[in-house]
Amino acid sequence: GAVVSQHPSWVICKSGTSVKIECRSLDFQATTMFWYRQFPKQSLMLMATSNEGSKATYEQGVEKDKFLINHASLTLSTLTVTSAHPEDSSFYICSARETGIQPQHFGDGTRLSIL
Amino acid sequence: GQQLNQSPQSMFIQEGEDVSMNCTSSSIFNTWLWYKQDPGEGPVLLIALYKAGELTSNGRLTAQFGITRKDSFLNISASIPSDVGIYFCAGQTGANNLFFGTGTRLTVIP
Repeated sequence: GAVVSQHPSWVICKSGTSVKIECRSLDFQATTMFWYRQFPKQSLMLMATSNEGSKATYEQGVEKDKFLINHASLTLSTLTVTSAHPEDSSFYICSARETGIQPQHFGDGTRLSIL
Repeated sequence: GQQLNQSPQSMFIQEGEDVSMNCTSSSIFNTWLWYKQDPGEGPVLLIALYKAGELTSNGRLTAQFGITRKDSFLNISASIPSDVGIYFCAGQTGANNLFFGTGTRLTVIP
């Protein structure tokens, strides 16, 4: 149980393009999902907490207008990187947890490369 | 954010050897988690610890939640090649606040 699916797994696009990444909880409902960013050989850094039916909570230094988060249902959250530039290239990973004090389960990540 | 220091940063061991890594923090956590990440994939949960002093096993893996609630360790017994990867500890305070350690990169030599 507790499977999280992330799509796409790999994106290459031109600078200025907007890219949408989907995160789905396949076998449980997730009122809260999380978006992380990971640079090579570094740990995961939380970008934002996505709450179903309400606005996301962004970590300090993360531009909310740059990284749009939508959590429209209990099983789906999306992250849109708007007008992406090469410095946005990174590994983006989502996670979700069931209600209560449950551990976060992670998707397989999306490698974003902006040319 | 909270700072979690993991040691060692990397390990090179012979297949069959035991492995020990730990995670320390200046802050208290209510939950400690250990994840393994393979290249190009997301972290996979190995063990979750919910109580100070708790010792939990998952196959060849054993982890403990430190009595002070500021540290945790993970042991892997009789390592095999597929144990290769990066191991992350994570401490959790409330329901949402999860902070990751700096990671331990494990290489197992056949």
